[in-house]
Amino acid sequence: NAGVTQTPKFRVLKTGQSMTLLCAQDMNHEYMYWYRQDPGMGLRLIHYSVGEGTTAKGEVPDGYNVSRLKKQNFLLGLESAAPSQTSVYFCASSYAGGSNQPQHFGDGTRLSIL
Amino acid sequence: DAKTTQPPSMDCAEGRAANLPCNHSTISGNEYVYWYRQIHSQGPQYIIHGLKNNETNEMASLIITEDRKSSTLILPHATLRDTAVYYCIVRVGEGADGLTFGKGTHLIIQP
Repeated sequence: NAGVTQTPKFRVLKTGQSMTLLCAQDMNHEYMYWYRQDPGMGLRLIHYSVGEGTTAKGEVPDGYNVSRLKKQNFLLGLESAAPSQTSVYFCASSYAGGSNQPQHFGDGTRLSIL
Repeated sequence: DAKTTQPPSMDCAEGRAANLPCNHSTISGNEYVYWYRQIHSQGPQYIIHGLKNNETNEMASLIITEDRKSSTLILPHATLRDTAVYYCIVRVGEGADGLTFGKGTHLIIQP
């Protein structure tokens, strides 16, 4: 039961470098989400997708881009990493939208920007 | 979404039932009550959710009062691996919504 798998688990970048975080789910879920979690801030939604080929902005989208080329995968890109993007990034998925659909999370990617 | 209030921390002896309370006095009729937990260094884990009726699954039971202003999550036989921060959330809305976690309850299971 893989559920939601995030790669990599840890990464250290230098300011200005780029990278892509991968999220894969094997539950045939339509909706996928990217969050960041910072101390004292709770979870904040970065971007989300309601289906293959669709993406939308969340609460804190600046500095990030996303793509959903395949239903099972949701990629989060940092084009030019900044120290303020040091955080733990969580991906989640749900079967559909709405308040009766639980979101299921991966174990996160811990990203440090030096 | 309605605001929730939880105690900051609780202790429970291993093997006993852990009862975690949550107040949501401003909940509206179409808001669901959700429980998640986060074990250190792991992602949030979905536990259970409900609207009006009590719910039970393989992990826990959710008891919602008749007026829906409070709820209790019950872990029937707590183990050391249940030590985590537990979050009570109320959700309403269609489409994609970002979950908002408060400070939660840090549950410590004592051996």
